[in-house]
Amino acid sequence: AQSVAQPEDQVNVAEGNPLTVKCTYSVSGNPYLFWYVQYPNRGLQFLLKYITGDNLVKGSYGFEAEFNKSQTSFHLKKPSALVSDSALYFCAVREAAGNKLTFGGGTRVLVKP
Amino acid sequence: EAGVAQSPRYKIIEKRQSVAFWCNPISGHATLYWYQQILGQGPKLLIQFQNNGVVDDSQLPKDRFSAERLKGVDSTLKIQPAKLEDSAVYLCASSGTSGSRTGELFFGEGSRLTVL
Repeated sequence: AQSVAQPEDQVNVAEGNPLTVKCTYSVSGNPYLFWYVQYPNRGLQFLLKYITGDNLVKGSYGFEAEFNKSQTSFHLKKPSALVSDSALYFCAVREAAGNKLTFGGGTRVLVKP
Repeated sequence: EAGVAQSPRYKIIEKRQSVAFWCNPISGHATLYWYQQILGQGPKLLIQFQNNGVVDDSQLPKDRFSAERLKGVDSTLKIQPAKLEDSAVYLCASSGTSGSRTGELFFGEGSRLTVL
């Protein structure tokens, strides 16, 4: 069975500082990996994905994520956080040969001015 | 382009009552998903449709939950009878051909259910 772990319930960071949100995954085959963001009272929005190729993928709003196969990780990063980045972030995984997208429990990011 | 539409946005019912949620996916999207998001948890897939056929309903509590997508467009998710633990946000999502293959989903704003 596939699974996703987001070890931090909340990440606090000062505006302008780098932001990292951690994610590790488990699948039986090659993974497709995703990050979604959820703002209050809104649906989830796609940020970025790793399917194949370069391990560093860039997405919306200046976010990027690095795929590390040996550590089965896909951490989300942003070099300089904004107050408007405060939201709930979800990592998700799908086995390349499968249909089902499995989400982690989410990490709340709070960026303080 | 219009997004995924869901209604109602909020619903409060007593336990053992029934409730129905409606979803209209993005035009042309063949794949439709219903997720349950309990407060403090990540979304959990309840059912996935490809056109009007069910691809995955392994986590749908079939004794009380049902879903249909009769014409391959709109979908309805029903809960009957509701239990306290069904209190959650029900998210509908859709994806086009490439999205269903790679996992990029477009989500509606959700329907928040409170069961008293």
